[in-house]
Amino acid sequence: QSALTQPASVSGSPGQSITISCTGTSSDVSGYNYVSWYQQYPGKAPKLIIYEVTNRPSGVSNRFSGSKSGSTASLTISGLQAEDEADYYCSSYRRSSTWVFGGGTKLTVL
Amino acid sequence: QPQLQESGPGLVKPSETLSVTCNVSGGSISTSDYYWGWIRQAPGKGLEWIGTIYYSGRTYYNPSLKSRVTLPVDTPKNQFSLKMTSVTAADTAVYYCARHKVYSNDFDYWGQGIPVTVSS
Repeated sequence: QSALTQPASVSGSPGQSITISCTGTSSDVSGYNYVSWYQQYPGKAPKLIIYEVTNRPSGVSNRFSGSKSGSTASLTISGLQAEDEADYYCSSYRRSSTWVFGGGTKLTVL
Repeated sequence: QPQLQESGPGLVKPSETLSVTCNVSGGSISTSDYYWGWIRQAPGKGLEWIGTIYYSGRTYYNPSLKSRVTLPVDTPKNQFSLKMTSVTAADTAVYYCARHKVYSNDFDYWGQGIPVTVSS
C-alpha cells in the first residue's frame, strides 16, 4: 500500500509561516474530504491537529490550518514558534475502507 | 476523554506471533461512533496503518499486512488486540492503538505506544 507523499523536511524562522504538502491520488486525497494531520514529538505518540481537511480539534492553536486542492492537501503553520519543531504526518481515507499515512515531514525552526 | 494503553511482550522471536492488547478506559469501545485502530512506526520511519476494528467485529486491514494480521475484540473487558503472525525483523516497531472516528475518519486519541523488537 503506497504512502502519501510529503517532503522529508521543511524549515522556517520564528514568526514565519510554513506549508507542508501531502500528495495523493483520486483514490484518497482528491476523492474524499477525510485528510487529517498529526504532530509528533520524538518518543511521543502522534497528536491530531487537523481533521476533515480544515477542522481543528478543541485546544489546537489557530496557527495551524489545513486546505486541499485536487490531490494535494496542505498544512500551514503561521507565526512559527520553537515548540512547533516536530514531525508532521498527513493521513487520508482511501477507497475500499483503508487508511493511509504520508511519509512524514520534519519541521525545523531555525 | 478516553485513555488507551497498550500492553504485551517487548520481544518476539522471528517466525512467531506478535500479540499486543489495547485497554480502553474512560469510554466504552461498544459505540457506533468509533472504530479502534492499530498503527505502527518502525525505528526512524513513518506511521503505517495496520488495521481497524469496529465493536461489532467488522475489520479493515492494510492490504500489505492482511494475510498475517487478526484483530480480536473483547467488549466485556473493553479491550481490543493485534495479532501478527510470522514476524520478521521488519516488524520491529512501536505499535500504537488509537480511537478512530467513524464520521471523520481520523485518529483522535492514541495510546503511548509499545515498542516491540523481533529478534532471536
